This record gives sequence, structure tokens and C-alpha cells, in this order.
Amino acid sequence: DQQVKQNSPSLSVQEGRISILNCDYTNSMFDYFLWYKKYPAEGPTFLISISSIKDKNEDGRFTVFLNKSAKHLSLHIVPSQPGDSAVYFCAASARREYGNKLVFGAGTILRVKS
Amino acid sequence: DARVTQTPRHKVTEMGQEVTMRCQPILGHNTVFWYRQTMMQGLELLAYFRNRAPLDDSGMPKDRFSAEMPDATLATLKIQPSEPRDSAVYFCASGLPLASGRFSKETQYFGPGTRLLVL
Repeated sequence: DQQVKQNSPSLSVQEGRISILNCDYTNSMFDYFLWYKKYPAEGPTFLISISSIKDKNEDGRFTVFLNKSAKHLSLHIVPSQPGDSAVYFCAASARREYGNKLVFGAGTILRVKS
Repeated sequence: DARVTQTPRHKVTEMGQEVTMRCQPILGHNTVFWYRQTMMQGLELLAYFRNRAPLDDSGMPKDRFSAEMPDATLATLKIQPSEPRDSAVYFCASGLPLASGRFSKETQYFGPGTRLLVL
């Protein structure tokens, strides 16, 4: 039973355009959401996060949007750059219930073409 | 430059052999996680420790997997006996708990992973 779902295994975008990665969750107890980025042969690295009290968080070219009623979040990258090509994992936690434990999605491979 | 280290980076072994993976968390981090990445499941949490005590190992096949923290600078994940279906990349991550009433910006730092192939 996957509580965090990334339904698009891959996404291909032209350099300079917007990349939109999507993530859905089923557990209404989740109150903190994160995106991690992973290059080949490396561990995932933290990218951006959002708490459930917000619906948007922005950090440079990266913006995460949270729609609690739809249990959906998305990561927008504008403009996309070839160096953004990586696997992106969505993760969620329920602080009261799980403490520091994160539940990850299966990941989306982003390819930015130059 | 604080980072999580994992050894070995690659391991090829035969079915039935014991495999031991090691992780050195970032100094000062009191929470350690073990994840497994497969093509089908993405990142699965196997176990995690806080202050060296196991908090949750429900994701780990108990009959063959074991995780320990002999001291604050070393976490180990053992598979005995190993099976071909255990082939995956195993990540260790360390972090600090989220502060009560506040969220820290980043909760977990990942190591580079151990790529395991069981033949």
C-alpha cells in the first residue's frame, strides 16, 4: 500500500521551460513534505520542503505547491536546466505519528534537454 | 565537510553468503535510517535508530536482516543468508529530530549508498 505516489516514472523537458513533477499521498496524517534530488551513484539530497500550514514554498528556481484537500503536491522548476536532470523523490512525514520517519515515493526521472 | 559515509560502495556476493554494510553518520546526528532502493519500490525504509536504540524495523525482513548501532559513530546492516532478491542499493541517512513545534529545514542526510548484487 503506497502512501506516497509519483505516478509519472519519467518526464522530459526542454531547457528553459518549466518542469512540473507531481506527487499524491493518501495518509491525511502527513503534515510535512519534502522533495529530494538524486544523481546517479549518489545518495538523495534535500531540495525543498513545505509544511501543511502553507500552500506554497519557493526557493530560487524551485517552488513546491501543496493542495491539502486533494492530497497533492507538485514541484515546479523554472527555468529548467540540463543540470536538473536527475531522479526526484517526493517524501512525507507525520510528525506526531511517525516522528522523523519519512515515506518516499518511487521517484520521477527528469531529463532536461538542451 | 560533514557527510554520511558508507562502506563498501559495491558488493557482489553469492546467494547464501553473509553481507555486512556499514554506515558512519554525521557527527552529532542522533537518528540513523537504513533505506533500500529498488526499481519497483523506490526508496523503502528498512529500519531507524534514535540515540542508538531501534525505533522501527517493521520494513525489514526479520528472518535474514539485522540492524545495529554498536556505537554512535557506526551503524551496520547485515543480511544472512543473502538472496538474489536482496540485490538493490542500500542507503544510510542520518539526521536530527524535528524540533517540537517547529520544522527543521532538512531532516535527513543520505550517504552514497552500497550497491549490492547477490548472484
